Amino acid sequence: QTVVTQEPSVTVSPGGTVTLTCASATGAVTSSYYVNWFQQKPGQAPRALIYSTINKQSWTPARFSGSLLGGKAALTLSGVQPEDEADYYCLLFSGGVWVFGGGTKLTVL
Amino acid sequence: QVQVVQSEAEVKKPGASVQVSCKASGYTFTDYFMHWVRQAPGQGLEWMGCINPKNGDINYPQKFHGRVTMTRDTSISTAYMDLSRLRSDDTAIYYCVREGLSDPNRNFDDWGQGILVTVSP
Repeated sequence: QTVVTQEPSVTVSPGGTVTLTCASATGAVTSSYYVNWFQQKPGQAPRALIYSTINKQSWTPARFSGSLLGGKAALTLSGVQPEDEADYYCLLFSGGVWVFGGGTKLTVL
Repeated sequence: QVQVVQSEAEVKKPGASVQVSCKASGYTFTDYFMHWVRQAPGQGLEWMGCINPKNGDINYPQKFHGRVTMTRDTSISTAYMDLSRLRSDDTAIYYCVREGLSDPNRNFDDWGQGILVTVSP
């Protein structure tokens, strides 16, 4: 089972832009990894944001976007809002199983 | 309205087993995989496996082989996850989350509210 790595913590200013990444120890992440991204706020269940690398859920704000960047999956927030402060997790499909990244704690300061 | 509603919190002793359930409503139960994900206190998310409610096929990582059983009752649109030989590090919130069976995009869209399972002597 592969190891999936995310930045443990990232800080961004309100209105700024930030990119969170998701890397696989087995090599470059591609579209066949079907990357999903989730947001989790304290005391809440995770909420789906992005599926299959780039596709947004119907409720996902336009400022969130998913992509592949330099062999990693990426989640970009453009025009960050205070309410975006949360933990973000990627999930990818590799070797016939699903694996979560360790999560990124995003602080808006 | 799609809903995935989970059972109540559980407290178990080490070595015991626990069954948690996940009842689906607002959609066709057999059209979606049901995945199980857990989160230990202060930790990240961990995928435990999934069941295809249409045929009962299960997929789960090697880590849980022999300890996890996933079943479903299609007559009541409910998925179950049994975890045996509980240890203290099994203390976690257990979530179920659906994924479209025939969706090529592999979309994990709706999550249950989570069930806290506490393993304590």
